[in-house]
This record gives sequence, C-alpha cells and structure tokens, in this order.
Amino acid sequence: DTGVSQDPRHKITKRGQNVTFRCDPISEHNRLYWYRQTLGQGPEFLTYFQNEAQLEKSRLLSDRFSAERPKGSFSTLEIQRTEQGDSAMYLCASSRTTRPYEQYFGPGTRLTVT
Amino acid sequence: ELKVEQNPLFLSMQEEKNYTIYCNYSTTSDRLYWYRQDPGKSLESLFVLLSNGAVKQEGRLMASLDTKARLSTLHITAAVHDLSATYFCAVDIPPAQGGSEKLVFGKGTKLTVNP
Repeated sequence: DTGVSQDPRHKITKRGQNVTFRCDPISEHNRLYWYRQTLGQGPEFLTYFQNEAQLEKSRLLSDRFSAERPKGSFSTLEIQRTEQGDSAMYLCASSRTTRPYEQYFGPGTRLTVT
Repeated sequence: ELKVEQNPLFLSMQEEKNYTIYCNYSTTSDRLYWYRQDPGKSLESLFVLLSNGAVKQEGRLMASLDTKARLSTLHITAAVHDLSATYFCAVDIPPAQGGSEKLVFGKGTKLTVNP
C-alpha cells in the first residue's frame, strides 16, 4: 500500500495555458475524489468517480475543468484556459465503496497561475 | 445544503493548557471526520466518528460526536508545540440519508501552541 500519489506536486503556469494533473489512488480503491483548497480555506469537493463513472460534479467545476478516470484506476484533472482564480491546492482522495468513510488523501498538487 | 462551521478559527494556546474546538453542522448526519494539516502539506486523518455518542482518543486529542445537537468537539489536553497545525472537521451524508458521501469541510482552526 503506497498511498495516494499525485503528479506534479507543484505547477506554475501562465494565465490562459492548459494544465493537467494526475492522481493514482490506492490500489483496489474504486472511489476517487477531487477537492480544491484555496489559501486559508477548507477543501471543497469538485467531483468523484466510482470506477470509471463520474458520479457527481460540483457547481464549482466550470466548463474549463474536466476530469477523467478512463480505466477506473488513475484519474486526470484538466483545467483549460487557466485563470488566476484557479490558483489552489488540488487534492485527490480515494476510498473503497464498502468503506467510503475512509478517504485517504494524496499530497496534493499546488497550482500557481501567474 | 450541508454547511459545516468551526470555531474558533484561530487559537493560540500555551503549552500544558487544555482547550476545545467546536464543529457544528447543519444537516442530519452520523458521520464526522477530523483531519490535521501542516503548512503546505496534505490532510492527515485523525478521527472517524460514525455514530451518536462516539468518542475517540489518540494521545492528547479526544473527539466526540453528538448527532442530535449536530456537534462535534475536539478536545486538546495539555497542549504541546507539536500539536501546532490547522485542524479541519468534515461531514458527509451517506446515500441512505439522501447524500452522496462527498466530504464538506469546515474552514479549519489554526492552532498555535506557544511555549
């Protein structure tokens, strides 16, 4: 059990560029969640998957955001045409369907949009 | 819509003192979580409380849940500097109660323990 991993850990990009983050959940965890945390705030839910199916998306997830989990293993979160307001820590978590109350968080990807 | 409120948001304590952080939530749920976050780091799970009256303790931290009052407390006993961090509570609502199991977090309590 190597834990949830995320890549990259840090990303600096210019406004208007596209960025993609990757999350590898704990193996055998079929649920995967994305959260966003801005400075001084608690994490906010963005979306979650059960296996490859995206079951819920937050209203926070504008059309510029897209998430995929094509084979039910790793997931990607893409932000198109980044804006300064997208600067945040993007956290990924995973859990088992049978134990959804045990969400394990990854180290996060810190995005800075200049 | 589920809302989670923590207080205080900032807490400066002296070592060896006791204090309590409060977490209120707006919608019936019997699942509450406490996390710790160090600066620039991810979230570390501290406690998972899954029923009314649940109490869990780990070292100098003790968490409890009162689902009727929609209140959880995180009690700190004889604080030490190593406990300095931001503490978050989070709530989710299981599908059986009409929710989707996404976590809704409070704003966090930034705890500083001074010598």
